[in-house]
Amino acid sequence: GIQVEQSPPDLILQEGANSTLRCNFSDSVNNLQWFHQNPWGQLINLFYIPSGTKQNGRLSATTVATERYSLLYISSSQTTDSGVYFCAVKPGYALNFGKGTSLLVTP
Amino acid sequence: DSGVTQTPKHLITATGQRVTLRCSPRSGDLSVYWYQQSLDQGLQFLIQYYNGEERAKGNILERFSAQQFPDLHSELNLSSLELGDSALYFCASSARNTEAFFGQGTRLTVV
Repeated sequence: GIQVEQSPPDLILQEGANSTLRCNFSDSVNNLQWFHQNPWGQLINLFYIPSGTKQNGRLSATTVATERYSLLYISSSQTTDSGVYFCAVKPGYALNFGKGTSLLVTP
Repeated sequence: DSGVTQTPKHLITATGQRVTLRCSPRSGDLSVYWYQQSLDQGLQFLIQYYNGEERAKGNILERFSAQQFPDLHSELNLSSLELGDSALYFCASSARNTEAFFGQGTRLTVV
C-alpha cells in the first residue's frame, strides 16, 4: 500500500516562531488532507489540498502532486497550536494517515 | 463542530464482551469510514460504506463488523473484546471523493 512519511516526528517551538511540516507519499493520490489532533483527541480539518497552495490565517499548505509531497506552514505559532499534525492521502477509497508530527509550543 | 456525531464518547467494558459504536454522518454525505487509533498502530483505516454498501476494507479484524443503514447512519460492532482493542475509534464521512470530516471519536477501554 501507499507509504506516507511525515517529518519531523517531534517539534518544540517557542511562541511566535515559524515552522514547516513535511509529508511525502509514495504513489499518486486524488486527495490529500491535513489535520490537527488537539490534546482532547479531536481531529480538526485544516486543509483539503490535492494540489496547489491554500492559506487560512496563520496556516498555509502547498501540495506538489507530481513530486509527491505536501508542506504545512505554521507562522507566529501559539500555544494553542500544540498537538499532533497529520497528513492523510487517498490513493483509492480511503484516507491513509502518516504517523504525524507532534508539536509543542511553549510560552 | 464537524457535523459527524459519534456515540458514546467513552466506553469501558470487560474482555470477551461485545459493544456497538454509532455514527451519524454529515447531512448529505453518503460515505462513512471507520478508523482505529491506538498508540502503537497510529490511525488505521478499518472499513468504508457508501450508500449502504461496503466499499472498501482495511485492517479490520474478523471479530469486528460494520453496517450502514438506510438513513445512512453506521454502526461498528466489536466482539470478543481483548485488552489490545482499547483505542480511540473514529467515524468520518464525506460526499463522493471529497473532503472527509471526522467525529469526536469513541474512546474504548477494555479491562
